[in-house]
Amino acid sequence: DAGVTQSPTHLIKTRGQQVTLRCSPKSGHDTVSWYQQALGQGPQFIFQYYEEEERQRGNFPDRFSGHQFPNYSSELNVNALLLGDSALYLCASSNGQSDEQYFGPGTRLTVT
Amino acid sequence: AQSVTQPDIHITVSEGASLELRCNYSYGATPYLFWYVQSPGQGLQLLLKYFSGDTLVQGIKGFEAEFKRSQSSFNLRKPSVHWSDAAEYFCAVGPRGYQKVTFGTGTKLQVIP
Repeated sequence: DAGVTQSPTHLIKTRGQQVTLRCSPKSGHDTVSWYQQALGQGPQFIFQYYEEEERQRGNFPDRFSGHQFPNYSSELNVNALLLGDSALYLCASSNGQSDEQYFGPGTRLTVT
Repeated sequence: AQSVTQPDIHITVSEGASLELRCNYSYGATPYLFWYVQSPGQGLQLLLKYFSGDTLVQGIKGFEAEFKRSQSSFNLRKPSVHWSDAAEYFCAVGPRGYQKVTFGTGTKLQVIP
Protein backbone atom coordinates (compact mmCIF):
# COMPACT_ATOMS: atom_id res chain seq x y z
CA ASP A 1 0.00 0.00 0.00
CA ALA A 2 1.65 3.20 -1.18
CA GLY A 3 1.55 6.03 1.28
CA VAL A 4 1.25 9.67 0.34
CA THR A 5 3.34 10.52 -2.68
CA GLN A 6 4.45 13.93 -3.90
CA SER A 7 6.10 15.18 -7.04
CA PRO A 8 8.50 16.55 -7.88
CA THR A 9 11.01 16.02 -5.09
CA HIS A 10 12.91 19.22 -5.75
CA LEU A 11 12.16 22.25 -7.83
CA ILE A 12 14.02 25.47 -8.61
CA LYS A 13 12.08 28.45 -9.92
CA THR A 14 12.73 32.10 -10.57
CA ARG A 15 10.95 34.98 -8.87
CA GLY A 16 7.69 35.81 -10.61
CA GLN A 17 7.21 32.35 -12.10
CA GLN A 18 4.40 29.95 -11.34
CA VAL A 19 4.71 26.44 -9.93
CA THR A 20 2.49 23.38 -9.58
CA LEU A 21 3.10 20.69 -6.99
CA ARG A 22 1.31 17.35 -6.98
CA CYS A 23 0.11 14.97 -4.31
CA SER A 24 -1.48 11.52 -4.34
CA PRO A 25 -3.14 10.56 -1.07
CA LYS A 26 -2.82 7.27 0.72
CA SER A 27 -5.20 4.64 -0.57
CA GLY A 28 -8.63 5.02 1.02
CA HIS A 29 -8.10 8.66 1.98
CA ASP A 30 -10.36 11.37 0.57
CA THR A 31 -9.01 14.51 2.22
CA VAL A 32 -5.80 16.33 1.33
CA SER A 33 -4.13 19.11 3.29
CA TRP A 34 -1.15 21.21 2.21
CA TYR A 35 1.47 22.71 4.49
CA GLN A 36 4.42 25.02 3.99
CA GLN A 37 7.50 24.40 6.11
CA ALA A 38 10.12 27.14 5.95
CA LEU A 39 13.64 26.33 7.08
CA GLY A 40 13.83 26.01 10.85
CA GLN A 41 10.07 26.33 11.29
CA GLY A 42 7.15 24.06 11.89
CA PRO A 43 4.70 23.33 9.08
CA GLN A 44 2.06 25.98 8.42
CA PHE A 45 -1.37 24.99 7.20
CA ILE A 46 -2.17 26.32 3.72
CA PHE A 47 -5.52 24.71 2.93
CA GLN A 48 -7.48 21.48 2.92
CA TYR A 49 -9.45 19.86 0.11
CA TYR A 50 -12.36 17.50 0.49
CA GLU A 51 -14.82 16.41 -2.21
CA GLU A 52 -12.94 18.62 -4.68
CA GLU A 53 -13.69 21.75 -2.65
CA GLU A 54 -11.46 23.88 -0.49
CA ARG A 55 -12.78 23.24 3.00
CA GLN A 56 -10.45 25.32 5.15
CA ARG A 57 -7.73 27.85 4.48
CA GLY A 58 -4.85 29.16 6.53
CA ASN A 59 -3.33 32.64 6.38
CA PHE A 60 -1.91 32.46 2.88
CA PRO A 61 -2.50 34.91 0.04
CA ASP A 62 -4.58 34.16 -3.04
CA ARG A 63 -1.37 33.44 -4.95
CA PHE A 64 -1.69 30.02 -3.34
CA SER A 65 -4.45 27.98 -4.91
CA GLY A 66 -5.28 24.33 -5.19
CA HIS A 67 -7.35 21.70 -6.79
CA GLN A 68 -8.58 18.24 -5.96
CA PHE A 69 -9.42 15.72 -8.63
CA PRO A 70 -12.13 13.01 -8.59
CA ASN A 71 -9.47 10.41 -7.71
CA TYR A 72 -8.66 12.54 -4.60
CA SER A 73 -5.22 13.57 -5.82
CA SER A 74 -4.43 17.23 -5.45
CA GLU A 75 -2.36 20.07 -6.84
CA LEU A 76 -0.96 23.13 -5.16
CA ASN A 77 -0.36 26.14 -7.42
CA VAL A 78 1.66 29.16 -6.45
CA ASN A 79 1.68 32.21 -8.73
CA ALA A 80 4.06 35.16 -8.86
CA LEU A 81 6.69 33.37 -6.79
CA LEU A 82 8.57 35.33 -4.14
CA LEU A 83 11.89 34.48 -2.55
CA GLY A 84 9.98 33.88 0.68
CA ASP A 85 8.05 31.04 -0.93
CA SER A 86 11.18 28.89 -0.74
CA ALA A 87 10.24 26.05 1.57
CA LEU A 88 9.38 22.40 1.91
CA TYR A 89 5.78 21.84 0.84
CA LEU A 90 4.12 18.94 2.56
CA CYS A 91 0.97 17.15 1.57
CA ALA A 92 -1.02 15.13 4.07
CA SER A 93 -4.01 12.89 3.61
CA SER A 94 -6.73 11.63 5.91
CA ASN A 95 -10.33 10.50 5.92
CA GLY A 96 -13.34 10.82 8.14
CA GLN A 97 -13.11 7.27 9.44
CA SER A 98 -9.52 7.19 10.61
CA ASP A 99 -8.02 9.48 13.18
CA GLU A 100 -4.69 9.67 11.48
CA GLN A 101 -3.14 12.05 9.01
CA TYR A 102 -0.30 10.73 6.86
CA PHE A 103 2.33 13.04 5.42
CA GLY A 104 4.22 12.73 2.19
CA PRO A 105 7.97 13.32 1.92
CA GLY A 106 7.48 16.84 0.60
CA THR A 107 8.59 18.93 -2.34
CA ARG A 108 11.54 21.23 -1.75
CA LEU A 109 10.92 24.49 -3.64
CA THR A 110 13.74 26.96 -4.10
CA VAL A 111 12.95 30.38 -5.55
CA THR A 112 15.93 32.35 -6.87
CA ALA B 1 -6.44 31.80 17.93
CA GLN B 2 -4.77 28.47 18.45
CA SER B 3 -1.04 28.26 19.08
CA VAL B 4 1.65 25.83 20.17
CA THR B 5 4.81 26.66 22.05
CA GLN B 6 7.81 24.39 22.17
CA PRO B 7 10.21 26.26 24.44
CA ASP B 8 13.26 24.12 23.75
CA ILE B 9 14.75 24.67 20.29
CA HIS B 10 17.52 22.14 20.77
CA ILE B 11 18.06 19.36 23.33
CA THR B 12 21.03 17.05 23.75
CA VAL B 13 20.76 13.80 25.71
CA SER B 14 23.00 10.81 26.20
CA GLU B 15 21.97 7.49 24.75
CA GLY B 16 20.04 5.55 27.37
CA ALA B 17 19.00 8.66 29.28
CA SER B 18 15.40 9.69 29.70
CA LEU B 19 13.82 12.40 27.58
CA GLU B 20 11.07 14.95 28.04
CA LEU B 21 10.10 17.43 25.34
CA ARG B 22 7.83 20.24 26.40
CA CYS B 23 4.75 21.49 24.61
CA ASN B 24 2.23 24.13 25.66
CA TYR B 25 -0.83 24.94 23.64
CA SER B 26 -3.60 27.49 23.39
CA TYR B 27 -6.91 26.35 21.97
CA GLY B 28 -10.44 27.60 22.37
CA ALA B 29 -12.24 24.26 22.42
CA THR B 30 -11.38 20.71 23.33
CA PRO B 31 -7.96 20.23 21.77
CA TYR B 32 -6.81 17.39 19.62
CA LEU B 33 -3.08 17.09 20.24
CA PHE B 34 -0.35 15.39 18.28
CA TRP B 35 3.37 14.72 18.34
CA TYR B 36 5.20 14.20 15.07
CA VAL B 37 8.81 13.32 14.32
CA GLN B 38 10.73 14.46 11.26
CA SER B 39 14.07 13.00 10.23
CA PRO B 40 16.30 15.03 7.89
CA GLY B 41 14.88 15.14 4.38
CA GLN B 42 11.78 13.22 5.43
CA GLY B 43 8.14 13.99 5.88
CA LEU B 44 6.40 13.90 9.24
CA GLN B 45 5.57 10.70 11.06
CA LEU B 46 2.87 10.62 13.74
CA LEU B 47 4.20 9.41 17.10
CA LEU B 48 0.96 9.68 19.06
CA LYS B 49 -2.26 11.61 19.36
CA TYR B 50 -4.72 12.56 22.06
CA PHE B 51 -8.39 13.11 21.47
CA SER B 52 -10.06 12.14 24.73
CA GLY B 53 -10.00 9.57 27.53
CA ASP B 54 -6.88 8.50 29.39
CA THR B 55 -4.57 11.49 29.63
CA LEU B 56 -1.45 9.32 29.34
CA VAL B 57 -1.10 8.32 25.72
CA GLN B 58 1.19 5.62 24.40
CA GLY B 59 2.71 5.98 20.96
CA ILE B 60 5.11 4.27 18.64
CA LYS B 61 8.84 3.79 19.23
CA GLY B 62 8.37 3.73 23.01
CA PHE B 63 7.15 7.33 23.31
CA GLU B 64 4.36 8.51 25.56
CA ALA B 65 2.77 11.86 26.27
CA GLU B 66 0.66 13.23 29.08
CA PHE B 67 -2.18 15.69 28.58
CA LYS B 68 -2.56 18.17 31.45
CA ARG B 69 -5.52 20.43 30.85
CA SER B 70 -4.80 22.64 33.88
CA GLN B 71 -1.33 23.41 32.54
CA SER B 72 -2.28 23.43 28.84
CA SER B 73 0.59 21.04 28.30
CA PHE B 74 1.20 17.89 26.31
CA ASN B 75 4.78 16.83 27.05
CA LEU B 76 6.45 13.96 25.24
CA ARG B 77 8.54 11.45 27.15
CA LYS B 78 10.71 8.43 26.56
CA PRO B 79 12.39 6.48 29.36
CA SER B 80 15.53 5.51 27.42
CA VAL B 81 16.65 7.30 24.27
CA HIS B 82 18.28 5.48 21.37
CA TRP B 83 20.68 7.05 18.87
CA SER B 84 18.04 6.54 16.16
CA ASP B 85 15.72 8.95 18.01
CA ALA B 86 17.83 11.90 16.87
CA ALA B 87 15.41 13.99 14.80
CA GLU B 88 13.16 17.01 15.05
CA TYR B 89 9.97 16.72 17.05
CA PHE B 90 6.85 18.78 16.49
CA CYS B 91 3.86 19.22 18.75
CA ALA B 92 0.60 20.19 17.07
CA VAL B 93 -2.99 21.09 17.98
CA GLY B 94 -6.14 21.21 15.95
CA PRO B 95 -9.72 20.11 15.51
CA ARG B 96 -10.74 16.59 14.68
CA GLY B 97 -10.67 16.20 10.91
CA TYR B 98 -7.23 17.79 10.74
CA GLN B 99 -8.50 21.11 9.53
CA LYS B 100 -6.12 23.97 10.29
CA VAL B 101 -3.69 21.99 12.43
CA THR B 102 -1.18 24.33 14.08
CA PHE B 103 2.36 23.15 14.66
CA GLY B 104 5.01 24.35 17.07
CA THR B 105 8.42 25.42 15.84
CA GLY B 106 9.96 22.10 16.76
CA THR B 107 12.62 20.73 19.09
CA LYS B 108 15.74 19.27 17.57
CA LEU B 109 17.00 16.27 19.52
CA GLN B 110 20.65 15.31 19.47
CA VAL B 111 21.70 11.99 21.00
CA ILE B 112 25.30 11.53 22.10
CA PRO B 113 26.96 8.19 22.81
